[in-house]
Amino acid sequence: ILNVEQSPQSLHVQEGDSTNFTCSFPSSNFYALHWYRWETAKSPEALFVMTLNGDEKKKGRISATLNTKEGYSYLYIKGSQPEDSATYLCALAGSYQLTFGKGTKLSVIP
Amino acid sequence: GAGVSQTPSNKVTEKGKYVELRCDPISGHTALYWYRQSLGQGPEFLIYFQGTGAADDSGLPNDRFFAVRPEGSVSTLKIQRTERGDSAVYLCASSPAFGTGPTGELFFGEGSRLTVL
Repeated sequence: ILNVEQSPQSLHVQEGDSTNFTCSFPSSNFYALHWYRWETAKSPEALFVMTLNGDEKKKGRISATLNTKEGYSYLYIKGSQPEDSATYLCALAGSYQLTFGKGTKLSVIP
Repeated sequence: GAGVSQTPSNKVTEKGKYVELRCDPISGHTALYWYRQSLGQGPEFLIYFQGTGAADDSGLPNDRFFAVRPEGSVSTLKIQRTERGDSAVYLCASSPAFGTGPTGELFFGEGSRLTVL
């Protein structure tokens, strides 16, 4: 059974601030780690899929790292904008099922 | 756009009623998934289809829940004798092929919010 913990549960930042949040897992027994962004009234959208220890991925102002040995992944947002407000979900892929954390709800204050 | 489409977007029903939720995946995607997000929780896996067959239905909570995908495209999630605890957002997702496996991203719909009174 895969267990995924995300912290913090929610976060408020000022526009322009950089921020990061954590996805932690006790076991590295999974195929991949996924990050999704879920804006209110929209569909969850994939940000990154990472498979290897030490993976680092970047998309615009958002980046992510994966450390399977110590059991965590970080998601970083540089210079937060109001449009970054969303719930960020981390999920572990055990074959074709994803096990999701509860998410981190980010609110960016203009 | 040609994304995953789910209907209805909102459904309010009374306890004990029957409900159907529909998912129209991205054209050509052979893999289809249903997830459920209850209040305060992350999405939870319900069922996975590869083509027309349910490859894994281990996430369905009980026998009141059933899903079909008769032609390998549109899928319907059916809930009988609804209970208040079934209230949740039901998400559908698709992916291009089983071969992309767990390293391939899922493409989600906007979800169907079910409220059982």
